[in-house]
Amino acid sequence: DGGITQSPKYLFRKEGQNVTLSCEQNLNHDAMYWYRQDPGQGLRLIYYSQIVNDFQKGDIAEGYSVSREKKESFPLTVTSAQKNPTAFYLCASSSTGTGDHEQYFGPGTRLTVT
Amino acid sequence: GNSVTQMEGPVTLSEEAFLTINCTYTATGYPSLFWYVQYPGEGLQLLLKATKADDKGSNKGFEATYRKETTSFHLEKGSVQVSDSAVYFCALSDVWANAGKSTFGDGTTLTVKP
Repeated sequence: DGGITQSPKYLFRKEGQNVTLSCEQNLNHDAMYWYRQDPGQGLRLIYYSQIVNDFQKGDIAEGYSVSREKKESFPLTVTSAQKNPTAFYLCASSSTGTGDHEQYFGPGTRLTVT
Repeated sequence: GNSVTQMEGPVTLSEEAFLTINCTYTATGYPSLFWYVQYPGEGLQLLLKATKADDKGSNKGFEATYRKETTSFHLEKGSVQVSDSAVYFCALSDVWANAGKSTFGDGTTLTVKP
């Protein structure tokens, strides 16, 4: 079955540590996205990538970093510079070019930093 | 730029009540419109979509019509069930302006009581 996987579902870290969240897709999509969701809030775009080896900052990129070395993979690193890293992180992918660009979401990773 | 404004929640209804969640948008170009649903602890999944003016998207008893004259895409369901309790997001994707990136509303939380 095609889809997006995120791992792990729950992640716990101590303050001051960097942590990397995994996102893999087998939908052959060019574009991938990372969103942050806080309790009772909407989605905020962290980073997005429309092609391999290229990515752009979203609305809240400070304290985060990404890489896009393979089409299937778009890992997100939450660095110690991120002031409030505890949140629910969602990865998504979509096609580019002509078309309606429906986004396909992974199940999310809930990160807790203490 | 693009924007999506959703009816503020939370919305609480009794089972079998009629549901409307309002959504209006601002976009340059020719957007496709979407409703996504998020169940507790999960990622978002597409509920329905419409790609041009006057199109009606429908799925699982939910409907929304793309109204260009009023820039709206209101979500409706004739008889809600407890299992419809979730957060609903309205979104748009402008094919020509953002090459796949979507703009999301803030989400509306629906609770259906038995």
